[in-house]
Amino acid sequence: GDSVTQMEGPVTLSEEAFLTINCTYTATGYPSLFWYVQYPGEGLQLLLKATKADDKGSNKGFEATYRKETTSFHLEKGSVQVSDSAVYFCALKDTGRRALTFGSGTRLQVQP
Amino acid sequence: GAGVSQSPSNKVTEKGKDVELRCDPISGHTALYWYRQSLGQGLEFLIYFQGNSAPDKSGLPSDRFSAERTGGSVSTLTIQRTQQEDSAVYLCASSETSGLAVETQYFGPGTRLLVL
Repeated sequence: GDSVTQMEGPVTLSEEAFLTINCTYTATGYPSLFWYVQYPGEGLQLLLKATKADDKGSNKGFEATYRKETTSFHLEKGSVQVSDSAVYFCALKDTGRRALTFGSGTRLQVQP
Repeated sequence: GAGVSQSPSNKVTEKGKDVELRCDPISGHTALYWYRQSLGQGLEFLIYFQGNSAPDKSGLPSDRFSAERTGGSVSTLTIQRTQQEDSAVYLCASSETSGLAVETQYFGPGTRLLVL
């Protein structure tokens, strides 16, 4: 079956540091890949997505590239801010399915 | 416009009682999803509706869980004879249906269920 593996958190960074959150996946078809973010006290929000190999999703300074050869979709940001503190979820939607399969989430804490 | 809304926001119940959780999707969204977020299991898919029918119920953990959707809009998730392991945040999401694009699922704030 489908699965998503994320690096465990929490990840603690200083403001303006470089961020990478690793995500790898297994899927039976040709999945679309997503990063969702959950800010404290708020619901899940789509951060970015990529629907085919080599696509790059980007939003709010975050980027992730769909790497089919390594089955990865790592999230990166060049300079994090305190306001980026949240839980980040990697997810996939496989061919022929509507449901999302989520990773376990990675908590990011950015210190001033 | 209004996003996905869920009620109640919090629910405390006693083991063995039945509970109903409600979801109001974004107007015009034909697809509706229920997920569960718990400490031990992470974020799990429960059931998917397209209109009023549920072509994918594969995530429902037991026959104590059921869901319905009426009028292609509001959905209710019912848990019968609740158990302590049912304690979790129950999330609802909705999306448009497109034959071409990969649609985005928009999530509600969730219902936090605590079974004592």
